[in-house]
Amino acid sequence: DIQMTQSPSSLSASVGDRVTITCRASQSISSYLNWYQQRPGKAPKLLIYAASRLQSGVPSRFSGSGFGPDFSLTISSLQPEDFATYYCQQSYSTPLTFGGGTKVEIK
Amino acid sequence: QVQLQESGPGLVKPSETLSLTCAVSGYSISSGYYWDWIRQPPGKGLEWIGSIYHTGSTYYNPSLKSRVTISLDTSKNQFSLKLSSVTATDSAVYYCARLNADTSGSHLDYWGQGTLVAVSS
Repeated sequence: DIQMTQSPSSLSASVGDRVTITCRASQSISSYLNWYQQRPGKAPKLLIYAASRLQSGVPSRFSGSGFGPDFSLTISSLQPEDFATYYCQQSYSTPLTFGGGTKVEIK
Repeated sequence: QVQLQESGPGLVKPSETLSLTCAVSGYSISSGYYWDWIRQPPGKGLEWIGSIYHTGSTYYNPSLKSRVTISLDTSKNQFSLKLSSVTATDSAVYYCARLNADTSGSHLDYWGQGTLVAVSS
């Protein structure tokens, strides 16, 4: 199985801050990397697919980058509704695997 | 608009079989895509359980493969999950989702709201 490691596991930030979350795969996965947002008590929501493609309807303050084993998700200006947990997920091979999550909290 | 809705018992006894159904609206599951199950133990991360293609081909997580069956019911436009011999470690929120696969990879673009299943006597 491909292991996905996210960092940090949690962070505190203020509205308007620029936030970056990183994700590293245990092997090269090309651009087969997705990002999801999960608010408390809700299902995950797809934000970014194929490392950098913005899902329809997702605000442009979210962006993704990276290739191979190293990826990042950036929120350019944190909004109140962005306080949530973020997960990366690889689709290079089955079983599909997720990172452990990064919880973004209000400072 | 594609919508998915999980249903099934919220409590299952140890050693029994967990059975869940995902009803899909807004798209005919026999027309395409993969249809997946994912679970999340309380306070923990996400675990992919498996997937069924619209043709009926299945793909399971090896960690659960011996206990999992995913099937399609195209007449009702729904798909199902069966997990046998459950223990307390199978207690989780279970999500169904659509897996959109193309040359850029695959991603879970539509999700159900999730259903909490507890395993307890």
